[in-house]
Amino acid sequence: NAGVTQTPKFQVLKTGQSMTLQCAQDMNHEYMSWYRQDPGMGLRLIHYSVGAGITDQGEVPNGYNVSRSTTEDFPLRLLSAAPSQTSVYFCASSYDRVTYGYTFGSGTRLTVV
Amino acid sequence: ILNVEQSPQSLHVQEGDSTNFTCSFPSSNFYALHWYRWETAKSPEALFVMTLNGDEKKKGRISATLNTKEGYSYLYIKGSQPEDSATYLCAFQRDDKIIFGKGTRLHILP
Repeated sequence: NAGVTQTPKFQVLKTGQSMTLQCAQDMNHEYMSWYRQDPGMGLRLIHYSVGAGITDQGEVPNGYNVSRSTTEDFPLRLLSAAPSQTSVYFCASSYDRVTYGYTFGSGTRLTVV
Repeated sequence: ILNVEQSPQSLHVQEGDSTNFTCSFPSSNFYALHWYRWETAKSPEALFVMTLNGDEKKKGRISATLNTKEGYSYLYIKGSQPEDSATYLCAFQRDDKIIFGKGTRLHILP
């Protein structure tokens, strides 16, 4: 099992550009979430999904879109990048969160200039 | 807005000493409370998930307790070792949302 795979690991974008952060898991996990980590702010929930075809907003969803067409993949789209979206992004997944908690990917460091 | 507070923000502990820190969360509509360890340059790793008031969980020298009525959880580390240096995150789960606190940064002094 590869676990939770995030690509790319690093990315630099210009303001206004769009891009997709990829997240894939091979553990047949129903639950997946995207978090962003900023200094002094901890992990903040962007969007989450409880299964294929179902997504919902977290604490800071503005400027981001998600979709969940398959159980394995949960991509995060930045529609028009802004410097405020400079952050480290973590994808997490779980089979049963109250038994196992989340398994996290290794993160994507995004810089918007 | 779900407010999850952790204290202290940062803690320095002598190797061999025991320590504990706190996570406070809303006591209404509680579903679960998670603890994670986050080492520098790595990803967070799950330590415990607790769901019932009075729950206690233990993994080696680390243990946690849960009080859902008053909305707090304690994480205890017994006999701190250098490898315990990390940020410890708690996360409050209400329904399908899991919201993290800002963490307690633990430094173990040799």
